Amino acid sequence: GAVVSQHPSWVICKSGTSVKIECRSLDFQATTMFWYRQFPKQSLMLMATSNEGSKATYEQGVEKDKFLINHASLTLSTLTVTSAHPEDSSFYICSAKAPGTTHTDTQYFGPGTRLTVL
Amino acid sequence: GDSVTQMEGPVTLSEEAFLTINCTYTATGYPSLFWYVQYPGEGLQLLLKATKADDKGSNKGFEATYRKETTSFHLEKGSVQVSDSAVYFCALNRYGNNRLAFGKGNQVVVIP
Repeated sequence: GAVVSQHPSWVICKSGTSVKIECRSLDFQATTMFWYRQFPKQSLMLMATSNEGSKATYEQGVEKDKFLINHASLTLSTLTVTSAHPEDSSFYICSAKAPGTTHTDTQYFGPGTRLTVL
Repeated sequence: GDSVTQMEGPVTLSEEAFLTINCTYTATGYPSLFWYVQYPGEGLQLLLKATKADDKGSNKGFEATYRKETTSFHLEKGSVQVSDSAVYFCALNRYGNNRLAFGKGNQVVVIP
């Protein structure tokens, strides 16, 4: 089946630094990727929708200048948490959707990245 | 807005027991409904889905029926195995909208 990877799987950084998380579709091309954030014992919350070659669409309440998303190719989207602070500590998950599929079709999820900001 | 509610708390049960995880939703229009499963250390995987009222999704012995009258999509399995231990998420999206709304998830632990 379709595989989505994320790198790194976990990262610890100091407050004020920036962290980049990569999301790759390994065996299919993904025109659309999604970034989610999950707090402990909470739902996955959609942060933004990333379309290849265009600007990401952010959900209400998500700071686009803080969470920079780049979808430069059909197999790679990156999320950069800029000037990270402890409240940004969370589990970040990406998903990817193959082109031409409908809203009922599967989003393929990555295993997630655990970010801890000290 | 659209939302999904799952029953509170982890679920612990013995092997071969019957599993039910409740899921109710709030949405305008006619959403599609999904159950995703996350095994330890892995990404979410689609377990089953239903796209219209009275549809039954099924996979790997799991079933869920889209009940519009009760706005529910409860997940059931007749005889669980230790390998079913995972976190299960209920989710929906609305027609023409790729954005998924998830429930909080339920940790299921099956004891031998």
